Amino acid sequence: GAVVSQHPSWVICKSGTSVKIECRSLDFQATTMFWYRQFPKQSLMLMATSNEGSKATYEQGVEKDKFLINHASLTLSTLTVTSAHPEDSSFYICSASRGVGYGYTFGSGTRLTVV
Amino acid sequence: GEDVEQSLFLSVREGDSSVINCTYTDSSSTYLYWYKQEPGAGLQLLTYIFSNMDMKQDQRLTVLLNKKDKHLSLRIADTQTGDSAIYFCAETEDSSYKLIFGSGTRLLVRP
Repeated sequence: GAVVSQHPSWVICKSGTSVKIECRSLDFQATTMFWYRQFPKQSLMLMATSNEGSKATYEQGVEKDKFLINHASLTLSTLTVTSAHPEDSSFYICSASRGVGYGYTFGSGTRLTVV
Repeated sequence: GEDVEQSLFLSVREGDSSVINCTYTDSSSTYLYWYKQEPGAGLQLLTYIFSNMDMKQDQRLTVLLNKKDKHLSLRIADTQTGDSAIYFCAETEDSSYKLIFGSGTRLLVRP
């Protein structure tokens, strides 16, 4: 159990376009989902925490208008990178949790390349 | 804020034991985790330990926690080439529920 599906696995887009990444919990209800960004050979940086039905809480230094997060249901959260630029190229990973004490399940990640 | 640190690289021979170390600063950490990441993939939970425990063993994995020194270690017995990956320690605390990762240790297992 506890499977999280993240799509797409990789995406290439042109500068100025927007890209949406989906994170779905397949066999459990995720009250909280997290979005991370990982640069090559670096650690995971938490971008934001989203709770179903409420606005996401962004970490310091993360642009809310650039990285739009929607957690519309207990099984789906989306991250939209708006007006993407080459510096937004990175590996984005989501994780989902059904609550405190239940741990975190990670998606397989999305490699975004902006050209 | 919270800070979690790890050594960047470890190289061992196949069959030897590997010990990956981690230090953290947040004394209110309730759970501490070890994750494995293979190239281009997400994170796989290996094991976790609750802060009131000193040790946890799960097959080839042994986790030791020294809460006084805020030091966490992961020992992998009989290390195999398939264990080559990046290993992250992570902590979470009651108040924020956020998972904070260390910098990751790249483990290379030589045949």
